[in-house]
Amino acid sequence: GDSVTQMEGPVTLSEEAFLTINCTYTATGYPSLFWYVQYPGEGLQLLLKATKADDKGSNKGFEATYRKETTSFHLEKGSVQVSDSAVYFCALSDSNYQLIWGAGTKLIIKP
Amino acid sequence: DGGITQSPKYLFRKEGQNVTLSCEQNLNHDAMYWYRQDPGQGLRLIYYSQIVNDFQKGDIAEGYSVSREKKESFPLTVTSAQKNPTAFYLCASSTRPAGQGYEQYFGPGTRLTVT
Repeated sequence: GDSVTQMEGPVTLSEEAFLTINCTYTATGYPSLFWYVQYPGEGLQLLLKATKADDKGSNKGFEATYRKETTSFHLEKGSVQVSDSAVYFCALSDSNYQLIWGAGTKLIIKP
Repeated sequence: DGGITQSPKYLFRKEGQNVTLSCEQNLNHDAMYWYRQDPGQGLRLIYYSQIVNDFQKGDIAEGYSVSREKKESFPLTVTSAQKNPTAFYLCASSTRPAGQGYEQYFGPGTRLTVT
């Protein structure tokens, strides 16, 4: 079945460092791909999405490109801030129109 | 403001009691979902509903029940049959069932503790 694999956390970086959180997927067909962010004690918020190959989603300085050839959707940010500390989830929409979730990657940014 | 409301934020119950978690949305979304999140883990789907008066089991439906009598409301009952009910419960909704770019919008969650 469809699945999403994220890099394990926690990922610890210093402020202003470059961020990459890896996400790879297995799916039949052409799923849409999403990144969500969860701040401590809160629900999830959509960060960005891409609906077809080579699409680039972007929001708040974060970017991710839908790479069909490598079945990847890695999240990147050029310069992280302490306020970016959160848990990041990669997800895809499957053929049954449900979201398949990765396990989440905790990001810790130190000042 | 449009959004999803979950109440209460924290809920405490004794073992053996049923408890109902509230989820209300004013986004006019057709589809609604309930997820369970355990510490350090991803989201697991409990139940989902694509339309009023219809719902389907997700991956971990045992010990839970839902109803969808109104478009805006999708309450979740955690029954005494659920072996490990202590968790963070998230409700979500979407314009259409997820897919083709239709993202899900989440409520703030309810943290249930059963002792």
